[in-house]
Amino acid sequence: SQELEQSPQSLIVQEGKNLTINCTSSKTLYGLYWYKQKYGEGLIFLMMLQKGGEEKSHEKITAKLDEKKQQSSLHITASQPSHAGIYLCGADSSGGSNYKLTFGKGTLLTVNP
Amino acid sequence: GAGVSQTPSNKVTEKGKYVELRCDPISGHTALYWYRQSLGQGPEFLIYFQGTGAADDSGLPNDRFFAVRPEGSVSTLKIQRTERGDSAVYLCASSFRRGAQLTEQFFGPGTRLTVL
Repeated sequence: SQELEQSPQSLIVQEGKNLTINCTSSKTLYGLYWYKQKYGEGLIFLMMLQKGGEEKSHEKITAKLDEKKQQSSLHITASQPSHAGIYLCGADSSGGSNYKLTFGKGTLLTVNP
Repeated sequence: GAGVSQTPSNKVTEKGKYVELRCDPISGHTALYWYRQSLGQGPEFLIYFQGTGAADDSGLPNDRFFAVRPEGSVSTLKIQRTERGDSAVYLCASSFRRGAQLTEQFFGPGTRLTVL
């Protein structure tokens, strides 16, 4: 079965600082999803990556998938308190059919003003 | 438009009781998913519906868990003879099909189930 390991498990940064969260898969990724979760709320979709070497950006968040499609990183530039939350990476573990996601345990991000 | 809604938001029950959790997907989304999230863990897949039928229920832990989607919209997750280990947040998600591909999953806020 596919396993995803996220690092770090938690991260505390000062507002304005840059940060990176990593997600490593035990198998080649068909599709890699990044979600954000706040306590008591559902997951908010951020980005999806499918192709080796792919990079996507939205506002101050950039996600990359390596060429071998086994590792992804999420980079936040000039962090703000609104970026605080749990970041989860999820992999398509249905062989490309895109319906069954396996998630990492998440990275808890705290941004101090 | 409205997102995925789930009711109740919180459910406290006693060991051995029966519970039903409801999910109302985004209008027009043909695919519906249930996940379970325990404290400190990522969500764990339970079941996937395409339309009215369960296309993959391989994540249901045992036969005490059952889910239905009779009209291809609202879904109910049913848990019989609840156990303390069933305590978790139950998340529902929905998506639609764009050509041959399912789109990203949109999640509801979850139902927090506590079994005493």
